[in-house]
Amino acid sequence: EVQLVQSGADVKKPGESLRISCKGSGYRFTGYWIAWVRQMPGKGLEWVGIINPADSDTRYSPSFQGQVTISADKSINTAYLQWSSLKASDTAMYYCARQTSASNIAYWGQGALVTVSS
Amino acid sequence: QSALTQPASVSGSPGQSITISCTGTSSDVGGYNFVAWYQHHPGKAPKLMIYDVANRPSGVSSRFSGSKSGNTASLTISGLQAEDEADYYCNSYTSSTTLGWVFGGGTKLTVL
Repeated sequence: EVQLVQSGADVKKPGESLRISCKGSGYRFTGYWIAWVRQMPGKGLEWVGIINPADSDTRYSPSFQGQVTISADKSINTAYLQWSSLKASDTAMYYCARQTSASNIAYWGQGALVTVSS
Repeated sequence: QSALTQPASVSGSPGQSITISCTGTSSDVGGYNFVAWYQHHPGKAPKLMIYDVANRPSGVSSRFSGSKSGNTASLTISGLQAEDEADYYCNSYTSSTTLGWVFGGGTKLTVL
């Protein structure tokens, strides 16, 4: 069974760093791109970026380029989304998801709520 | 990259059919057959309902169907049921960014 299990909720202060994780199981981790999607409170879904765990080829949405870093460790089947200096506006639910083919993104993590507040 | 355009809300009574539109440009919806639709209940992970414009993943009800004409994709739900009430998002490949993907703004479906 394909599963994506994300790290738990985090509460941070502005300026702090954070790395959230997404562990894949039940499939060949290096065979599929992993996407990160943000949902701010009361807002819609937004693409953050996507990574190929096989070679760490990474693409970012223009809104997130330079604001976050996406990485993957294929030895432990885990993808990451990290911030070096959080802002209050980073408060959101973040989902990871597996791209099966083109527009087919059928497997999603349970989401990780990031709260940034002083 | 602007989000694809969806109506903010649609509504229908049980048993009726509704259609949600997703309008883009020739650089995204109109140029490629890579449009997907997601159902999202608050607090849960999004669920893929349609991919590659009109394909339904296994396990998704045949009441859900997708189509495309020009720069506009559509999701139709027939025989509306109470559990269909959710937010729906379209997603398309786009040649406008290096990322290659863009969501619609989302549509809130209310079952009256």
